[in-house]
Amino acid sequence: NAGVTQTPKFRVLKTGQSMTLLCAQDMNHEYMYWYRQDPGMGLRLIHYSVGEGTTAKGEVPDGYNVSRLKKQNFLLGLESAAPSQTSVYFCASGGTQRAQYFGPGTRLTVT
Amino acid sequence: EDQVTQSPEALRLQEGESSSLNCSYTVSGLRGLFWYRQDPGKGPEFLFTLYSAGEEKEKERLKATLTKKESFLHITAPKPEDSATYLCAVQAAGGSYIPTFGRGTSLIVHP
Repeated sequence: NAGVTQTPKFRVLKTGQSMTLLCAQDMNHEYMYWYRQDPGMGLRLIHYSVGEGTTAKGEVPDGYNVSRLKKQNFLLGLESAAPSQTSVYFCASGGTQRAQYFGPGTRLTVT
Repeated sequence: EDQVTQSPEALRLQEGESSSLNCSYTVSGLRGLFWYRQDPGKGPEFLFTLYSAGEEKEKERLKATLTKKESFLHITAPKPEDSATYLCAVQAAGGSYIPTFGRGTSLIVHP
């Protein structure tokens, strides 16, 4: 039981480049989330999904897209990276009235 | 709008010096309150869920309590390995299961 895994762990991008972050969970959770965490800002919700094939916007969705084609996977895409997207990205999964279980994070730097 | 305020922002303790962290919240009906621990460079790790006023949960040196307006995380005789950032989150009743996070309390326990 791996819990929540994220790929990659680290990435450096140049402004304008694109990339996809992959999140996988093996706990059969319906809900999955993408957060970014910046110093002094706490966790901010980017997008979330309430089930396979569904996605919804969170607090800071601009510049990001997501897809949930399979229940266990949740992808976060950056189409044209900007320095303001330099951050640590966390994926989480959970269910109704359940706590969230977080992945180890992806540290992204955009130069 | 749901709000979560954690205090203090930072706390330094000597080993064995007991203290409490506070999480004040404003929600239109509480579905659940969650405590997490986050170590540097890692994702938040779930500690406790509290559902109703008067409820208490314990784990080793940690004890979480809940009232109608706030939750406390009591740390008894802390050790250096308890050093971490502690996050509080609430889920409001009704609607989607999207939690609101506080910005956390950074705890350092000196030997």
